Amino acid sequence: AQKVTQAQTEISVVEKEDVTLDCVYETRDTTYYLFWYKQPPSGELVFLIRRNSFDEQNEISGRYSWNFQKSTSSFNFTITASQVVDSAVYFCALSVTNSGGSNYKLTFGKGTLLTVNP
Amino acid sequence: SAVISQKPSRDICQRGTSLTIQCQVDSQVTMMFWYRQQPGQSLTLIATANQGSEATYESGFVIDKFPISRPNLTFSTLTVSNMSPEDSSIYLCSVQTGQGNSPLHFGNGTRLTVT
Repeated sequence: AQKVTQAQTEISVVEKEDVTLDCVYETRDTTYYLFWYKQPPSGELVFLIRRNSFDEQNEISGRYSWNFQKSTSSFNFTITASQVVDSAVYFCALSVTNSGGSNYKLTFGKGTLLTVNP
Repeated sequence: SAVISQKPSRDICQRGTSLTIQCQVDSQVTMMFWYRQQPGQSLTLIATANQGSEATYESGFVIDKFPISRPNLTFSTLTVSNMSPEDSSIYLCSVQTGQGNSPLHFGNGTRLTVT
């Protein structure tokens, strides 16, 4: 079975601070995918990134960066110079590839509520 | 990515009634799914909506409680039947637009409150 742990329930920072959201996962599969989603107060889930288990290269997209480390089963998300608009719940998720090659069944963490104060 | 429209966006219903949630996608998609997000909780997969056949339900979810339809590749409905306050949740439609390992995209969700 798959499991995703986001130990930080809530984080509060002041604008322009850097913040890292932690994600630890468990799976016995060697092929899997990791995701981050953002859920602003409006409720929709916004896809941020997908990373497969064979690609440990870290990724940067603007103020966002992701650090994938298989040795510690972690996929942490850092927001640099946070802004008020970054306030949202952030979910880390894991999927494994089934026999049909699909990864549709996501296992979500419980989410981290990030509040960025002006 | 696909544009996913869910209706209604929110509703307040009485115990014992049923509510049908619609999910419309602006393009044909391979896979459609329904998730539930209980208050303050994470997302849980309810079922996979299969086009032209019965949905595939996850453990803990049954067809009598959550009947699902998917008449074509762009539309699905989820009904929450005989509601109780415990059904108060956000229900989200999600789609996979590509093959294999493409990410899921989600609709805006339906916020359901059962009184």
